[in-house]
Amino acid sequence: SYELTQPPSVSVSPGQTASISCSGNKLVDNYVCWYQQRPGQSPVLVIYQDTKRPSGIPERFSGSNSGNTATLTISGTQAMDEADYYCQAWDSSFVVFGGGTKLTVL
Amino acid sequence: QVQLVQSGAEVKKPGASVKVSCKASGYTFTSYYIHWVRQAPGQGLEWMGIINPNGGPTTYSQRLQGRVTMTRDTSTSTVFMDLSSLRSEDTAVYYCARGAPRLENAFDIWGQGTMVTVSS
Repeated sequence: SYELTQPPSVSVSPGQTASISCSGNKLVDNYVCWYQQRPGQSPVLVIYQDTKRPSGIPERFSGSNSGNTATLTISGTQAMDEADYYCQAWDSSFVVFGGGTKLTVL
Repeated sequence: QVQLVQSGAEVKKPGASVKVSCKASGYTFTSYYIHWVRQAPGQGLEWMGIINPNGGPTTYSQRLQGRVTMTRDTSTSTVFMDLSSLRSEDTAVYYCARGAPRLENAFDIWGQGTMVTVSS
């Protein structure tokens, strides 16, 4: 079965740029979404179709997908961005999530 | 507004079944697929399956195939997820989420989650 691999944790200083990777075999052939999940809350879609932001998501969130790796980038990271982030893609008729990355802003 | 409202927390014994509901409002129920996703305590998201509220076949994760059943009631705009032969590893928060065709089927609306605890 298809697997998506994320680093368990990423740390960033306030105002700096955070990058979270998501790796999978020929991932560029799939559209990747990213979800933010704050503690005790339901996930929120922040990026879809590799690079697009839903309405209401700040411009500091961006995405890319090339080769075997998709990347979520948060520019000018704020304390409120501290959360778990999950990548997601489709494998034929099935949905696959990455294991999640805990972003710490310190 | 567009929302998915789920049923309340459940406590079940091993071997029992649980049925969680997800009521949609604020949009045309039959125009969007509904997914079920679960999250064990301290763990990541696990996709369980997808149902087309307009009818047609459902698709379940290979890991849960045979234990999970998803149904819908169009008269009340509600989707149901039934999980049988419960074991302690099924203790998790269960979410329903809407797949949005205009967003390449990304999950744009999520329910508030339903905690299911399996304990003897």
